Amino acid sequence: GAGVSQTPSNKVTEKGKYVELRCDPISGHTALYWYRQSLGQGPEFLIYFQGTGAADDSGLPNDRFFAVRPEGSVSTLKIQRTERGDSAVYLCASSRTGNNSPLHFGNGTRLTVT
Amino acid sequence: AQSVSQHNHHVILSEAASLELGCNYSYGGTVNLFWYVQYPGQHLQLLLKYFSGDPLVKGIKGFEAEFIKSKFSFNLRKPSVQWSDTAEYFCAVNGDNTDKLIFGTGTRLQVFP
Repeated sequence: GAGVSQTPSNKVTEKGKYVELRCDPISGHTALYWYRQSLGQGPEFLIYFQGTGAADDSGLPNDRFFAVRPEGSVSTLKIQRTERGDSAVYLCASSRTGNNSPLHFGNGTRLTVT
Repeated sequence: AQSVSQHNHHVILSEAASLELGCNYSYGGTVNLFWYVQYPGQHLQLLLKYFSGDPLVKGIKGFEAEFIKSKFSFNLRKPSVQWSDTAEYFCAVNGDNTDKLIFGTGTRLQVFP
């Protein structure tokens, strides 16, 4: 079946611009996660949704980062006033229920801030 | 705070060699432990997991991992690697009351025929 879909696959933007990254989870999965992976590092937790609500947003680095999941399915990660240090691969994952059910990852969005 | 250490950053092996990748975690309570794998050009996928019970867990493709509570370790092993095992391997942990999964920095494995 269809896996987790992330769009765009690549995004190049100028410093100071606003970007939105989209994640389509596997149908029926109630839990959705955003991670960020920089070169040579493991995925770094950003935020986790259970349904429409953010169950844990402790990984968001600052208030330039925001994520929504208004209908409990698709999620958008929004970054304001982008900085060069925001350049990374942004990964989305979904799981059936959370509660330690396996995470299914998308291929990620590679964000480059010039 | 939880953390995960993977000591081997890059491992190079010949086919049929045995593999052991180290993983140590720091967490004061009950933990759940995972190994994820990322093959070249593919997304991260679950290799195996430990929640409770038998500390020796078996995953896909002949991989296994052993949870040693006294050493805070969850090392990944495979008796005989194949060229197709070339990938990046990530150890991850979460506490029993959270779904926030913390990853290690990863180990890049290259297997030569």
